[in-house]
Amino acid sequence: EPEVTQTPSHQVTQMGQEVILRCVPISNHLYFYWYRQILGQKVEFLVSFYNNEISEKSEIFDDQFSVERPDGSNFTLKIRSTKLEDSAMYFCASNPGRQELKNIQYFGAGTRLSVL
Amino acid sequence: RKEVEQDPGPFNVPEGATVAFNCTYSNSASQSFFWYRQDCRKEPKLLMSVYSSGNEDGRFTAQLNRASQYISLLIRDSKLSDSATYLCVTPTGFQKLVFGTGTRLLVSP
Repeated sequence: EPEVTQTPSHQVTQMGQEVILRCVPISNHLYFYWYRQILGQKVEFLVSFYNNEISEKSEIFDDQFSVERPDGSNFTLKIRSTKLEDSAMYFCASNPGRQELKNIQYFGAGTRLSVL
Repeated sequence: RKEVEQDPGPFNVPEGATVAFNCTYSNSASQSFFWYRQDCRKEPKLLMSVYSSGNEDGRFTAQLNRASQYISLLIRDSKLSDSATYLCVTPTGFQKLVFGTGTRLLVSP
């Protein structure tokens, strides 16, 4: 079964450093998402991406965050200058864009980001 | 008011028990609802959709009550492997999923 893959599974970084979290969505999917989950808290939407541009973003997704789909395969989340409070699990998800699967998102296993 | 609210639990039940969780939502215009399951430090996985007419999948039954704005999940004959956090989710079109905080279930031998 096709799956969303995320790398690395765990990223440790120093405060102020830039990190790039990588995702390979399911082939032929058209909508891409990033969510985060701080330990012990709920899953929160960060950003959605369609047709090579951001279609919606949350208040969390400030100027420190950016997303890219550089090569038609990878979908990346960059945090320019990490803060301690960016420590969380980051989940990538994708959707095929078909009406009958409109609300179904397929999640990757996540990247655990630890900012020290 | 939060868009989706759940009792965090934990619900501690013995194997074989029947357990039910509720989730309330604030947006009366919400059209779709889902239950996701999340194991510790893992990704959310879709468990089942929730339809107005009710939805049953094996030991799991989901119901939607639009008048009172809540959805429910009933698990019959609980198994140890059902231990997880159950997330109530409502989507907004293609754009995003809104998650509840989850209800933690612990099934003991």
